Amino acid sequence: GQQLNQSPQSMFIQEGEDVSMNCTSSSIFNTWLWYKQDPGEGPVLLIALYKAGELTSNGRLTAQFGITRKDSFLNISASIPSDVGIYFCAGQLVSEKLVFGKGTKLTVNP
Amino acid sequence: EAQVTQNPRYLITVTGKKLTVTCSQNMNHEYMSWYRQDPGLGLRQIYYSMNVEVTDKGDVPEGYKVSRKEKRNFPLILESPSPNQTSLYFCASSLYREQPQHFGDGTRLSIL
Repeated sequence: GQQLNQSPQSMFIQEGEDVSMNCTSSSIFNTWLWYKQDPGEGPVLLIALYKAGELTSNGRLTAQFGITRKDSFLNISASIPSDVGIYFCAGQLVSEKLVFGKGTKLTVNP
Repeated sequence: EAQVTQNPRYLITVTGKKLTVTCSQNMNHEYMSWYRQDPGLGLRQIYYSMNVEVTDKGDVPEGYKVSRKEKRNFPLILESPSPNQTSLYFCASSLYREQPQHFGDGTRLSIL
């Protein structure tokens, strides 16, 4: 089946630093999604991307849908302590199920 | 408030004792799904439902049952739970399968 490779698995950064994480796949997708999971809660949608090459921002978060449709990245600028959590990418083809990456665990040191 | 509600949030039980985890959404979504989350394995789909009375297996359906008698509810049933079903479970819903899914807050099950 389809698999997503999400990297890095974990990151330890200082408050104020920028963060970048990415997902790659051997298959193409029509949709890329980025979710964040806080401890003890369910994943929450951050950004949805529907078109190859699309660059979308949500506050300090920016995500891009790769031109090849096989990858996506998420950037967080000027990190703050509440950015701590696990970030998941997910890809989907039309009429197919959502495929999730295994997550990037982000730790922000004040 | 638009939400997906799961109950219970936490449950410790014993092998073989049937249990049901309920899931309800108030967004009139057609698509609902159950996932389990395990360390190092990420989110894996157990079952999904495209609409009322339409359910299908996901990636890891063994040991689970579901039903979709009403649009808003999608319970997960463990007829004879075993320790390898100890996990964090999430229910999710979306208007259609191709739409981004909204997740509940999770149910942590421990099967002793």
